Formats: sequence, structure tokens, C-alpha cells
Amino acid sequence: SAVISQKPSRDICQRGTSLTIQCQVDSQVTMMFWYRQQPGQSLTLIATANQGSEATYESGFVIDKFPISRPNLTFSTLTVSNMSPEDSSIYLCSVDFWQENTEAFFGQGTRLTVV
Amino acid sequence: KNEVEQSPQNLTAQEGEFITINCSYSVGISALHWLQQHPGGGIVSLFMLSSGKKKHGRLIATINIQEKHSSLHITASHPRDSAVYICAVFSNTGNQFYFGTGTSLTVIP
Repeated sequence: SAVISQKPSRDICQRGTSLTIQCQVDSQVTMMFWYRQQPGQSLTLIATANQGSEATYESGFVIDKFPISRPNLTFSTLTVSNMSPEDSSIYLCSVDFWQENTEAFFGQGTRLTVV
Repeated sequence: KNEVEQSPQNLTAQEGEFITINCSYSVGISALHWLQQHPGGGIVSLFMLSSGKKKHGRLIATINIQEKHSSLHITASHPRDSAVYICAVFSNTGNQFYFGTGTSLTVIP
């Protein structure tokens, strides 16, 4: 199992600024995943973060907009850059047990509002 | 068309009622997950199914692989069950996840 601490839990940000979301896991994991959930929508995978290599981004998401760091096997950050109101969403991190068809483990989510 | 469809989108029930949430999917899968999302946004995994039926307390999940359909049942519902319930599948072709848009459940005392 894994306990994932994600912060901040919520934030209200000004247009044009950037926000960095942190995800800390209580055990070492190979892959961490970042998701976005826009209002009324299902979860969408942004990118997969592997330790020691560049993150792998899904179609429609680019590194300049969503830079990701993965400095070690227990921590990752996602930055939402140059924010606009369209970036208002819940952002969630998840860990790789999900990939192995066991229970899924998610962070508590970051509810972002851009004004 | 979404690969995962859930119904209903919204559901309001009286405390004590039996609740059913349905999930249909159109892709081949190796596993189906039921997730619970709390108002703050955090998500908890309730079940992972590849066949048959599982039960945890008042929650029961079933899956019919041939019909590509799963149901989540809540017996003796309680206000603390109020949350969004999300069906998610892991595709066995292309190795990716598909999520339903969720069912928002409100249980009234």
C-alpha cells in the first residue's frame, strides 16, 4: 500500500502566474502519474513521471505548460505554468501500483481556481 | 463516444436506501476499478475487479465481462456515502486507462 500526501489542497491563483503542486509518497515507487479533472469531466492523464528521466506527456499536454520534476523515488512536482481560467481543475497524483492492476492510490487532489 | 459510460450522472437517495450505479465500457480490459472521490477532490480506490463479485462492508461490486458491464451497489446507504463514484478500466490493448465521468451521489438523512 501507499500513502500519498499532495499539497496544496486548494489554491486560487491569478491569471499568468504559475503553481507548483507537490506529491510525497511514503514508499519508493517507480512511476508516478499526474491527472487533471476539469469540472464535470473524467480524469485525464497529463504525464507519467519516472525517476531520473524526462516525464512522458500525453497528447495535448506539453512540458512548457506542465513541467514535472521527479528528483527521487518518493517525490514529484507538477507545475501549471502561465495559468489561464481554463486551467481551473482538480489535479491529482497517483502511483504505479495502479499500473500493476492492484489497488489504485491517489493523492488528496489540488483544487485550482484561476481568476 | 466515451469508452466508459456511467449511469446515472446524479443520484439522490434517502438514508437507508439500496443504491446501484452502473458502468458500461467498450474496450477490452484487464481490470475495472471503482473509485470514490470526496468533495475535496481526493480519490480512494474501492474495488478492483477482473471477474465476478467483491464485497467490502456495505459495498458490493459486480462485473460481467461478456456484457462489458459493472455495477456498484451500496446497501443501507448513509449520508457519509455522499461522494462521486468513478468507474475506471485498464485497457488490455494499448495499456491505458479510461475513466467514466462519475456518478454524484447525495444521501439525505
